[in-house]
Amino acid sequence: AQSVAQPEDQVNVAEGNPLTVKCTYSVSGNPYLFWYVQYPNRGLQFLLKYITGDNLVKGSYGFEAEFNKSQTSFHLKKPSALVSDSALYFCAVRDRGTGGFKTIFGAGTRLFVKA
Amino acid sequence: EAQVTQNPRYLITVTGKKLTVTCSQNMNHEYMSWYRQDPGLGLRQIYYSMNVEVTDKGDVPEGYKVSRKEKRNFPLILESPSPNQTSLYFCASSLYRAGVTGELFFGEGSRLTVL
Repeated sequence: AQSVAQPEDQVNVAEGNPLTVKCTYSVSGNPYLFWYVQYPNRGLQFLLKYITGDNLVKGSYGFEAEFNKSQTSFHLKKPSALVSDSALYFCAVRDRGTGGFKTIFGAGTRLFVKA
Repeated sequence: EAQVTQNPRYLITVTGKKLTVTCSQNMNHEYMSWYRQDPGLGLRQIYYSMNVEVTDKGDVPEGYKVSRKEKRNFPLILESPSPNQTSLYFCASSLYRAGVTGELFFGEGSRLTVL
């Protein structure tokens, strides 16, 4: 069965420090990988995606993510955290096949950035 | 402005009283989907539609109905709401074409409470 795991419910980091939000997945084949962010009382917003090619992808607001095929991971990173980065982050995968265009989401990781 | 619009944003209702949550997108997207978000569970797919008059069940369809009579609209219907349907609901849309990676665009969410 396809699944996405975000092992940390919450990540705390000081402003200016690097941050990592972890994601591992279990999907057959080579999926599309996504990160979304949810600010309070808002819908999810697309941050970045991995399709193919370079394992390090860059996205919005200075975020990047590193794809590791052997570890089936897609960790979200940012070199220097901002207080405004505090939000709920979701990792998601979508099969490249025709299985209903289904996107599977992780449970989410809440990021707190302290000033 | 490209957007997905959901209404109502907040609703308190009673068990058994039929309700409809509307969703409309202005991006000419083929794919639309409904999710519910519950703490610790991430987003779970209720129903999805890959085009007009084409709908299918997601992971948690029980107690819900949908229709897709027009490309832009995808209403979620709760024929007889129960307290376990108290949740935060999101509508999302995406392009659905060959070669398209299909990142999702989300509405702002509809918080439903069933008493």
